[in-house]
Amino acid sequence: KNEVEQSPQNLTAQEGEFITINCSYSVGISALHWLQQHPGGGIVSLFMLSSGKKKHGRLIATINIQEKHSSLHITASHPRDSAVYICAVKGFGNEKLTFGTGTRLTIIP
Amino acid sequence: DAGVIQSPRHEVTEMGQEVTLRCKPISGHDYLFWYRQTMMRGLELLIYFNNNVPIDDSGMPEDRFSAKMPNASFSTLKIQPSEPRDSAVYFCASSFSRSEAFFGQGTRLTVV
Repeated sequence: KNEVEQSPQNLTAQEGEFITINCSYSVGISALHWLQQHPGGGIVSLFMLSSGKKKHGRLIATINIQEKHSSLHITASHPRDSAVYICAVKGFGNEKLTFGTGTRLTIIP
Repeated sequence: DAGVIQSPRHEVTEMGQEVTLRCKPISGHDYLFWYRQTMMRGLELLIYFNNNVPIDDSGMPEDRFSAKMPNASFSTLKIQPSEPRDSAVYFCASSFSRSEAFFGQGTRLTVV
């Protein structure tokens, strides 16, 4: 069983819809990262969380440490949000990231 | 700062050849990471450095892989000899301690 599980694996939605991507992990962590990767492109860090909630524009990330769960929300989704979203966790005492398998999001105009 | 710079962006080589991937981290960052991404296994950490010293190389697949960081502004990942199963996208990333990582654009390696 992977230490980091994401759901769904694939998500297709209409432009404007509210999007939720989930991440569950099985070990204690010092931080959780949400990353974005466009097709053929590099990887961009969206958020780094250790508690609570963060917001950048239309993106919101939340984390529940007790339940070992995080969600990434996109409001008013747009075709340019189409990408793979990857959850990654960092343990204690080191800087190693363990990655989920990613969620491929497609927003249809 | 131009961000993390990797070269080359694409590399096609024949099996058995030596391959060297290069990375210039963001100035001032004290951590540097090498990751590999494949369709089968997703993103995996190969090795990371702190202040130019290798801290964890447990992800390096075998002795054919080696990484160096001779100074704070340059790192290399070398595969010798290369094999077709090494074909992947290799990412370099850098960060300050306990902060978010910044990734390079990656090097797409194809070994034929």
